[in-house]
Amino acid sequence: SQKIEQNSEALNIQEGKTATLTCNYTNYSPAYLQWYRQDPGRGPVFLLLIRENEKEKRKERLKVTFDTTLKQSLFHITASQPADSATYLCALGGPLGSARQLTFGSGTQLTVLP
Amino acid sequence: DAEITQSPRHKITETGRQVTLACHQTWNHNNMFWYRQDLGHGLRLIHYSYGVHDTNKGEVSDGYSVSRSNTEDLPLTLESAASSQTSVYFCASRRTGTDTQYFGPGTRLTVL
Repeated sequence: SQKIEQNSEALNIQEGKTATLTCNYTNYSPAYLQWYRQDPGRGPVFLLLIRENEKEKRKERLKVTFDTTLKQSLFHITASQPADSATYLCALGGPLGSARQLTFGSGTQLTVLP
Repeated sequence: DAEITQSPRHKITETGRQVTLACHQTWNHNNMFWYRQDLGHGLRLIHYSYGVHDTNKGEVSDGYSVSRSNTEDLPLTLESAASSQTSVYFCASRRTGTDTQYFGPGTRLTVL
């Protein structure tokens, strides 16, 4: 069955450092992968999308890589700030031609320490 | 501003009761989704709809139903609430032809 794993449930880093979150998947051939941010008591908010034919995407301090051979995505936040503290979810989108549903990982809770 | 809202935000009910959670979006998106979020499981898809009068079962649809009578609303009904349905429920919508989903604020449901 399809499986998505996000590295450690919780990650603590020092302000100013780069946070790296991992999303691994098995038994899946996604057409794209998304990263969402979720704050306590709120719904997820879309951050970035990367397609299967793309290696890297950037948006301000965020960078996402997608390696379909390793079946892995890395999500980086550079120059991290306490305001970046949140849970980050990766989500895989179905192969082309399938219904455009998302399958979510369980998330990594990031805490940026001042 | 366009938005997606859910009501109620919190609900406590008893086992066996019927419960309906509301979801309303003003983006005019054709595609709407219901998820539940539990510790250790992430978001799991319950039902989804690609337009008026269209509904489809997701990964964890047993015990839930939806109906889509207009573009803006997709209510989720628990026919006979069970303690296993205690969870946080999120509604989401997506514009046709795009891949980004927009989520509501969630409803925390407790079944006693």
